[in-house]
Amino acid sequence: GQQVMQIPQYQHVQEGEDFTTYCNSSTTLSNIQWYKQRPGGHPVFLIQLVKSGEVKKQKRLTFQFGEAKKNSSLHITATQTTDVGTYFCNQAGTALIFGKGTTLSVSS
Amino acid sequence: EAGVAQSPRYKIIEKRQSVAFWCNPISGHATLYWYQQILGQGPKLLIQFQNNGVVDDSQLPKDRFSAERLKGVDSTLKIQPAKLEDSAVYLCASSNQLVNTEAFFGQGTRLTVV
Repeated sequence: GQQVMQIPQYQHVQEGEDFTTYCNSSTTLSNIQWYKQRPGGHPVFLIQLVKSGEVKKQKRLTFQFGEAKKNSSLHITATQTTDVGTYFCNQAGTALIFGKGTTLSVSS
Repeated sequence: EAGVAQSPRYKIIEKRQSVAFWCNPISGHATLYWYQQILGQGPKLLIQFQNNGVVDDSQLPKDRFSAERLKGVDSTLKIQPAKLEDSAVYLCASSNQLVNTEAFFGQGTRLTVV
């Protein structure tokens, strides 16, 4: 599994603001997965993107895979306190490698 | 379906002692992962099994850590002897394929070495 670079490492927003985290790779990815880990919890799978330019939505979350399949983004519209946690992106190859993720904090 | 089961949930030991963690993956999942997650960091892959064979153990500190999955179902991770820096959450995950599939995680075991 190839590790991708994720930015920012930390983000604090006011409740109701939007939030975006980005994943970048220097090489073409076969797929991109996103996981969320709540404070004190374990990673939970959110979604997998496979196709170039793919966009998928889950309620207030929008996931995008770049046309060149070298980057991906997760956008949260109107954040809520339940969105707090660390979001990880990775490529699911023969191994599942996690980076540092983006830790989101939300104040009400 | 039942999730990934791990035990114990918490463990406190003194340095130089031994400890073992147990994981029972989701039924039918051939791939099993052990991760170490130190506070504030992402999960670090320690070892990956496909059935009862090791796919990747390049990050496993083999002088003190060992893992087995003898019958290709449940797995045990052992640390002997433990060091202070082994304090972390140990996560087990499983998936039903070797590649390109989601992993399901257990609740983890929080180890404190004093």
